[in-house]
Amino acid sequence: DIQMTQSPSSVSASVGDRVTITCRASQGVGRWLAWYQQKPGKAPNLLIYAASSLESGVPSRFSGSGSGTDFTLTISSLQPEDFATYYCQQANSFPPTFGQGTRLDIK
Amino acid sequence: EVQLVESGGGSVQPGGSLRLSCAASGFTFSSYDMNWVRQAPGKGLEWVSNIRSRGDYIYHADSVKGRFTISRDNAKNSLYLQMNSLRAEDTAVYYCARVRTTWDAFDIWGQGTMVTVSS
Repeated sequence: DIQMTQSPSSVSASVGDRVTITCRASQGVGRWLAWYQQKPGKAPNLLIYAASSLESGVPSRFSGSGSGTDFTLTISSLQPEDFATYYCQQANSFPPTFGQGTRLDIK
Repeated sequence: EVQLVESGGGSVQPGGSLRLSCAASGFTFSSYDMNWVRQAPGKGLEWVSNIRSRGDYIYHADSVKGRFTISRDNAKNSLYLQMNSLRAEDTAVYYCARVRTTWDAFDIWGQGTMVTVSS
């Protein structure tokens, strides 16, 4: 199975800050990488697919980049509603696997 | 509105069985691959099972292989997960999730249904 490792595991930031979360795959996944946002008690919400494509309805302050084994999710200017947990997921091969999550807290 | 609604969760003793259902609406269910994904309390996301749009191919995580079975009824716009020989470590919120037609991300999720396995 492909292992996905996110860093950091948690980060504290303020409204207006720029935040970057990284995701590393244990082997190459091409651009078959997605990012999700999850708020407490809610289902995950797809933000980015194909490493850098913004899902419909997702604010443009979210962006993704990378290919192969190294990927990033960037939030350009944090808004209050962005404080949540973020997961990456590879869709290159079965089984699909998720990173362990990055919790984004208010500083 | 595109929607997935899970049901069937609850409390069960170790070794017991449950059948989860996921009702789809607002899209052509028969055109999409579907998955079950679970999340243990306070933990991350774990993929459980996948079924192709026509139900002709299914995949299960090693952790549930031989105990869980995914199925679908396209005429009823419904997805199912039959869970047998349940263990304490199966305790989790179970989500059904739709697969995008391209790039295989999970684009629509249900609200989740809680399964608790405890004596």
